[in-house]
Amino acid sequence: AQSVSQHNHHVILSEAASLELGCNYSYGGTVNLFWYVQYPGQHLQLLLKYFSGDPLVKGIKGFEAEFIKSKFSFNLRKPSVQWSDTAEYFCAVRGNNRLAFGKGNQVVVIP
Amino acid sequence: GAVVSQHPSRVICKSGTSVKIECRSLDFQATTMFWYRQFPKKSLMLMATSNEGSKATYEQGVEKDKFLINHASLTLSTLTVTSAHPEDSSFYICSARGGTGGSPYEQYFGPGTRLTVT
Repeated sequence: AQSVSQHNHHVILSEAASLELGCNYSYGGTVNLFWYVQYPGQHLQLLLKYFSGDPLVKGIKGFEAEFIKSKFSFNLRKPSVQWSDTAEYFCAVRGNNRLAFGKGNQVVVIP
Repeated sequence: GAVVSQHPSRVICKSGTSVKIECRSLDFQATTMFWYRQFPKKSLMLMATSNEGSKATYEQGVEKDKFLINHASLTLSTLTVTSAHPEDSSFYICSARGGTGGSPYEQYFGPGTRLTVT
């Protein structure tokens, strides 16, 4: 079964700062990769996904992620965060019809 | 986009009682539904996968007799926590995928149900 690791569970940064969240996975087969966001009191929402093609994927709200196959990574980035980006971010990897999640990153953006 | 609802959003029950949580796909037919459990500061743990009309497949370590899953139709799955104990207190999230009206590769998540067992 695949596993997903996310580092730096708590991230605190100021508005306009750049954000990068790391995601590494272990799985030998073909994978689909996702980043989900969970705003306070809300349900999981899809930020972006990668199935195939261009490894640089652009999602909603200015987020992007890059799939680096050789590093088994799918890092999430945003050049300039806003207070409204305060949320929990989950990386997820689907392999063999199972979607596995990382532990999440709690991101707090200070106005 | 595809919407998944859960009911109830919060439930408090006494130890030893059973609780049923409903998960519905509102505008698409979900061929597969998933149940997750989310612990504080931890990731979502997949409990089981169910396909409409067939028995659920449980993940290792999940007691199928304690967490009863029924996927009776393409729009409804239920999770029943039987003889609940305080350690069952958690946030339960369902997810649905596939079928008519939804992407076959994307999972749509419900808002979750907070279960507290006293």
